Amino acid sequence: GAVVSQHPSWVICKSGTSVKIECRSLDFQATTMFWYRQFPKQSLMLMATSNEGSKATYEQGVEKDKFLINHASLTLSTLTVTSAHPEDSSFYICRPHGYTFGSGTRLTVV
Amino acid sequence: DQQVKQNSPSLSVQEGRISILNCDYTNSMFDYFLWYKKYPAEGPTFLISISSIKDKNEDGRFTVFLNKSAKHLSLHIVPSQPGDSAVYFCAARAGSYQLPFGKGTKLSVIP
Repeated sequence: GAVVSQHPSWVICKSGTSVKIECRSLDFQATTMFWYRQFPKQSLMLMATSNEGSKATYEQGVEKDKFLINHASLTLSTLTVTSAHPEDSSFYICRPHGYTFGSGTRLTVV
Repeated sequence: DQQVKQNSPSLSVQEGRISILNCDYTNSMFDYFLWYKKYPAEGPTFLISISSIKDKNEDGRFTVFLNKSAKHLSLHIVPSQPGDSAVYFCAARAGSYQLPFGKGTKLSVIP
């Protein structure tokens, strides 16, 4: 079956630093990748949609300069949280279009 | 504007009883509905789905009911087990349009 590998599973970083989250499709090609963020009180929010070889499409209210998405190949999409702040602490999840979710990344910014 | 709504943020059920999780949607173009289950610090996992041409889909202890006229779907879990305690999200799809999610319902099954 299709395997989606998301890495790291958790990360702690200092305010002002940048963190890169990787989402890999191990045995299939992902043309489109969705990135989600889970807010406190459990709601799941779509942040952006990335398409291989083109710019990502961000949902309203999501800062594209802060959450950099790169989808350079059909097997790898990355989300970089730039100049992270404590309010960016959250659970980030990827999902290739048509496939299941990644295992998620718990980001804690201190 | 939330297209998919789960109005109950939490639900507690006794082990062995039925759990009923509800979801309402506003877009009549949605043609496919999914339920996901999520444990803390893990990605959501697919649970069960239903196409708009059906009104019921059953998989073991899990049954999803769809009422198109009311734009309402529900997930029934019977009998409920402690391992079912998780957050459940409903989601909807219209063609290839990316499915919006409800805000989730946290189910607690009490032994």
